[in-house]
Amino acid sequence: QSALTQPASVSGSPGQSITISCVGTSSDVGGEYNYISWYQQHPGQAPKLMIFDVSNRPSGISNRFSGSRTGNTASLTISGLQAEDEADYYCNSFRRASPPVYVFGTGTTVTVL
Amino acid sequence: EVQLVESGGGVVQRGGSLRLSCADSDYSFSNYWMNWVRQAPGKGLEWVGNVDQGGNMQHYVDSVRGRFFISRDNTKRSLYLQMNNLRDEDTALYYCARDRHGHGDLDSWGQGTLVTVSS
Repeated sequence: QSALTQPASVSGSPGQSITISCVGTSSDVGGEYNYISWYQQHPGQAPKLMIFDVSNRPSGISNRFSGSRTGNTASLTISGLQAEDEADYYCNSFRRASPPVYVFGTGTTVTVL
Repeated sequence: EVQLVESGGGVVQRGGSLRLSCADSDYSFSNYWMNWVRQAPGKGLEWVGNVDQGGNMQHYVDSVRGRFFISRDNTKRSLYLQMNNLRDEDTALYYCARDRHGHGDLDSWGQGTLVTVSS
């Protein structure tokens, strides 16, 4: 099962906004389900849920993080970029298949300049 | 706070078997789908599979289907991953993760257990 496509790296200066894309197909990202989530992973740590159901934030996650979807592309936007945001980010989507599966994106390294 | 603790990782020969465990401190363990996710050294995340609340339904990524089997024991608040016929490409850090709403939103993760397949 092929992974969703993300840019390998994105960078920005403190205070700027950046957007990470996650490209899939009509069977996953662009499908009828809104089961798209985003994870942040710092080196040596377990992933952390940042966004679920396309655009919802779990309790405790800063409103600087927002999610959206247009067609077969999901996006994570980080506004007011901070040094602590430097990490790897992964999207994840439900894929309507037989049997159904979940698939992660290829991952994006965010660098704060 | 939910705490998941994986165990059972180690070095195993190609073609061998290993059983991973994940213990949950949360008494609501039986309410959630549970997942296994792995990460090869220096690589990205890969969803391995999941199991429903009652342990009756499992789904797997193609690369492990027929070799890996996920089960759970709700009385022990534990999740398991039986891995058979291990291949070099199964070498990874294996995480267990709770699916909060059954939508693939994995809100709690363990710290992982490392599996190394040697030839």
